Amino acid sequence: AQSVTQPDIHITVSEGASLELRCNYSYGATPYLFWYVQSPGQGLQLLLKYFSGDTLVQGIKGFEAEFKRSQSSFNLRKPSVHWSDAAEYFCAVVGGGNKLTFGTGTQLKVEL
Amino acid sequence: DGGITQSPKYLFRKEGQNVTLSCEQNLNHDAMYWYRQDPGQGLRLIYYSQIVNDFQKGDIAEGYSVSREKKESFPLTVTSAQKNPTAFYLCASSSDSLYSGNTIYFGEGSWLTVV
Repeated sequence: AQSVTQPDIHITVSEGASLELRCNYSYGATPYLFWYVQSPGQGLQLLLKYFSGDTLVQGIKGFEAEFKRSQSSFNLRKPSVHWSDAAEYFCAVVGGGNKLTFGTGTQLKVEL
Repeated sequence: DGGITQSPKYLFRKEGQNVTLSCEQNLNHDAMYWYRQDPGQGLRLIYYSQIVNDFQKGDIAEGYSVSREKKESFPLTVTSAQKNPTAFYLCASSSDSLYSGNTIYFGEGSWLTVV
């Protein structure tokens, strides 16, 4: 069965600093990978997804992610964080049965 | 506006009662999903449906039931058999198979509290 690990439960960065959120997946076949963001008490918004092709994927709000098959990783990056980026971030993988499996999330705090 | 509408946003239930959460989408999506979110556990799949009149159990289906009588509607009933129902519930939909590169879109969620 597929699984996703987000090893960092909380991350704090200063506004303007760079950000990298880690995601590792386990899936036997070619993975289809997603990053979502959630503000408190709200639904999830898609940031970006990897389906095939270029392993560096650009998303909304200045985010990007790189798929590395050899490391089973799909880390999310942003070169300069804004205070409005404070939220919870979820990595997810499509697995068997047309289902999306999520990691446990990383809570991002931005210090002004 | 196109999207997924969940209602109610906040719901309080007494122990032993069943409660139904509504989910309606006007995106003409075939597939619909229910997830449960608890702090520190991410999102866990309760039920999903890929076509009208058909649905499958997810990872934590015990104590829940669903129906899919119409393409746009996928209500979730939290029964009295669900031992710990207090959580945030998210409904989602996608146009077709996720293997085709389609995206799951989420509603705004419903908070259920057992009092």
